[in-house]
Amino acid sequence: DVKVTQSSRYLVKRTGEKVFLECVQDMDHENMFWYRQDPGLGLRLIYFSYDVKMKEKGDIPEGYSVSREKKERFSLILESASTNQTSMYLCASSLSAWEGKNTEAFFGQGTRLTVV
Amino acid sequence: AQSVTQPDIHITVSEGASLELRCNYSYGATPYLFWYVQSPGQGLQLLLKYFSGDTLVQGIKGFEAEFKRSQSSFNLRKPSVHWSDAAEYFCAVVALYNTDKLIFGTGTRLQVFP
Repeated sequence: DVKVTQSSRYLVKRTGEKVFLECVQDMDHENMFWYRQDPGLGLRLIYFSYDVKMKEKGDIPEGYSVSREKKERFSLILESASTNQTSMYLCASSLSAWEGKNTEAFFGQGTRLTVV
Repeated sequence: AQSVTQPDIHITVSEGASLELRCNYSYGATPYLFWYVQSPGQGLQLLLKYFSGDTLVQGIKGFEAEFKRSQSSFNLRKPSVHWSDAAEYFCAVVALYNTDKLIFGTGTRLQVFP
């Protein structure tokens, strides 16, 4: 089974702290994603990576950065956490759609981040 | 840029009734289309997907969806809803411009009455 593992289920951080959310996948997927999920807003894409060191902004990248130094690991960084970043954060991975590959995305269990 | 619209925020049905959840996308060519379900406190689970071929696709838990290119729609259906189907349902699209960016709709919350 494909496994996408997020390092924490729950996090509480203080305003202004630098926060790292880690995600690891074990199926050699090219693509990795970070979303935040808020009631009534669905899943909004923060950042997307299609290869090591390659990234693309999603719909709401402000206040976030990402790092992908190894294929299996994709980190989301909140440079200076703010209360409006309190949310559920979901990581996902998928194969590249090129060459007709099955590009179904697999999700981690999520990290509920509270910024106080 | 691609986008996904789920016009129904909340739907309530009686157990045993039929269900249709609507999904419309904006993209010039044929995208890859997905429906995911999220039960309370649970992660996202793939219900079904469309890549190409037969426009009526079957998924898990008795769900099906039909891709209609002329309407840019990918509606989810189930002939008889069970109480355990109460959850939030998300439609998603990969537009295949030159990367595999996966974009979600805002979701439809399904409530089932006995």
